[in-house]
Amino acid sequence: AQSVTQPDARVTVSEGASLQLRCKYSYFGTPYLFWYVQYPRQGLQLLLKYYPGDPVVQGVNGFEAEFSKSNSSFHLRKASVHWSDWAVYFCAVSIDPGYNKLTFGKGTVLLVSP
Amino acid sequence: EAAVTQSPRSKVAVTGGKVTLSCHQTNNHDYMYWYRQDTGHGLRLIHYSYVADSTEKGDIPDGYKASRPSQENFSLILELASLSQTAVYFCASSPDWGGDTQYFGPGTRLLVL
Repeated sequence: AQSVTQPDARVTVSEGASLQLRCKYSYFGTPYLFWYVQYPRQGLQLLLKYYPGDPVVQGVNGFEAEFSKSNSSFHLRKASVHWSDWAVYFCAVSIDPGYNKLTFGKGTVLLVSP
Repeated sequence: EAAVTQSPRSKVAVTGGKVTLSCHQTNNHDYMYWYRQDTGHGLRLIHYSYVADSTEKGDIPDGYKASRPSQENFSLILELASLSQTAVYFCASSPDWGGDTQYFGPGTRLLVL
């Protein structure tokens, strides 16, 4: 079965600094990959998604992610973090057959310091 | 814009009691999902449905039933609530298939005492 690992439970970044949140997946084939964000007391919202093609995917609010099949990774990046990015970030994977389900990682809490 | 609503937003239930969580979407989406969120576990899929009057088991279906009486409505039923079912429950919908963008509701906080 597929799995998603987010090795960092919590990441602290200074406002204006760059950000990378790590995601590793376990699946033999080529998955569809997603990053979702959850702001306090809200449901999840899609940041970006990867379908087979260009490995670098652009998302909302300046976020991007890069797919690496060799490393089984899909890391999320942002060049300059804003205080409003303080949230929980989830990586998720969808695979065959049918790509009917998402499997989520445990999430990474992003803390932004002034 | 996609709209998924859940009711109630929070609930306190007693052990052994019946709990029904409701979800309504106005997106005309075929797929609907129920997840639970626990600290340290992320979101885990309980049940999902891709057509009215049909439901499918997700990864953790034990202790839960689901009902999809119409395309717009999807309920999660706990026949005999237990302490271990204390969690936040999210409903989501997606247009065609699970690999597409899922739109989430605001969540229901369930406390079982």
